[in-house]
Amino acid sequence: EDQVTQSPEALRLQEGESSSLNCSYTVSGLRGLFWYRQDPGKGPEFLFTLYSAGEEKEKERLKATLTKKESFLHITAPKPEDSATYLCAVLRGDYKLSFGAGTTVTVRA
Amino acid sequence: NAGVTQTPKFRVLKTGQSMTLLCAQDMNHEYMYWYRQDPGMGLRLIHYSVGEGTTAKGEVPDGYNVSRLKKQNFLLGLESAAPSQTSVYFCASSYQAEQFFGPGTRLTVL
Repeated sequence: EDQVTQSPEALRLQEGESSSLNCSYTVSGLRGLFWYRQDPGKGPEFLFTLYSAGEEKEKERLKATLTKKESFLHITAPKPEDSATYLCAVLRGDYKLSFGAGTTVTVRA
Repeated sequence: NAGVTQTPKFRVLKTGQSMTLLCAQDMNHEYMYWYRQDPGMGLRLIHYSVGEGTTAKGEVPDGYNVSRLKKQNFLLGLESAAPSQTSVYFCASSYQAEQFFGPGTRLTVL
């Protein structure tokens, strides 16, 4: 059965304290892995797509990496505006997305 | 461009009532999706459409129906609402792999 697991569930950081979020998956026929940001009361906002192991993408303080079994979202020197829930999703062989439950990041000034 | 819009934003229903959620997109996307999001769980696909006039079941389709009469609109219907359908509903659309989401509808069924 396809599974997407994100850890930790919640992460509290001090401003400037770098950390990483994990997304592990067991999916048959992975066609891509996506990271989304979701602010309270809003819909998910697309961040990155990764298609193959070894691929990396960066955007401001965020960097996403992909291996054959997991992806990491690294947050470097976070600011309070980086506080959000980060969702991982995998595009399966049938072209449907399977989402993880998310990691809620809180960055304190 | 408004992107993906959803109406209404909030709704409270009594058990057994019916309602329709409307999703509209102005990006000329072929693919549209309805998800529900519950605490501690990932977004789960209810129904989806690969083009005007087509619909297909997702992971959790029971108790819901959909229609895609126009390319830009995707409607989600609840014929007889149940408390288990209390959730936040998101619509999304895509041209290729990346899906773009609407702001969501918070539905409470009493």
